[in-house]
Amino acid sequence: NAGVTQTPKFQVLKTGQSMTLQCAQDMNHEYMSWYRQDPGMGLRLIHYSVGAGITDQGEVPNGYNVSRSTTEDFPLRLLSAAPSQTSVYFCASSYSGDRRQETQYFGPGTRLLVL
Amino acid sequence: QQPVQSPQAVILREGEDAVINCSSSKALYSVHWYRQKHGEAPVFLMILLKGGEQKGHEKISASFNEKKQQSSLYLTASQLSYSGTYFCGTGGVGTDKLIFGTGTRLQVFP
Repeated sequence: NAGVTQTPKFQVLKTGQSMTLQCAQDMNHEYMSWYRQDPGMGLRLIHYSVGAGITDQGEVPNGYNVSRSTTEDFPLRLLSAAPSQTSVYFCASSYSGDRRQETQYFGPGTRLLVL
Repeated sequence: QQPVQSPQAVILREGEDAVINCSSSKALYSVHWYRQKHGEAPVFLMILLKGGEQKGHEKISASFNEKKQQSSLYLTASQLSYSGTYFCGTGGVGTDKLIFGTGTRLQVFP
């Protein structure tokens, strides 16, 4: 199993550009989520999905869109990149939708720099 | 709602012990602990559930005080490999959310 994979590993964008961060898992996990990590802020939840076709907002959803057409994939779209979105982005998955009692498996992360 | 971790940073010599605390203002159903090495993804250590169930790591232990809404992570006889940032994540009662703290940076020196 590859686990949770993310692409790209590193990306530089100009303000106003759009892009999609890819996330895929091969563990047949129902639950997937996106976090951003900033210095001193810890991990903050952006969006999450409890299954194909179902998504919901987390703590910091503004400026990001998600969709979940398959169990395996959960892409994160930046509609119009801003410098405030410079961060490290982690995708995570778990077996079921009750995150409170399920191990979260994290991908390797995508480092995004917005100029 | 973000849990508070203390201390923010710890420096140890190999073999020394450390305690990292995680405190919430909300009633807790569960507490997760993860370790993240520099430039890598967070890795699961353990989950503690309301009622006392614990899913753990072989050399690191933790406690969960439901009444005080607190958890502590105990690292005994620290090894160089323990270095990293430790995050707690708290699962609330009556919600399916899991919210992470800001992290505690642990450095172990020879």
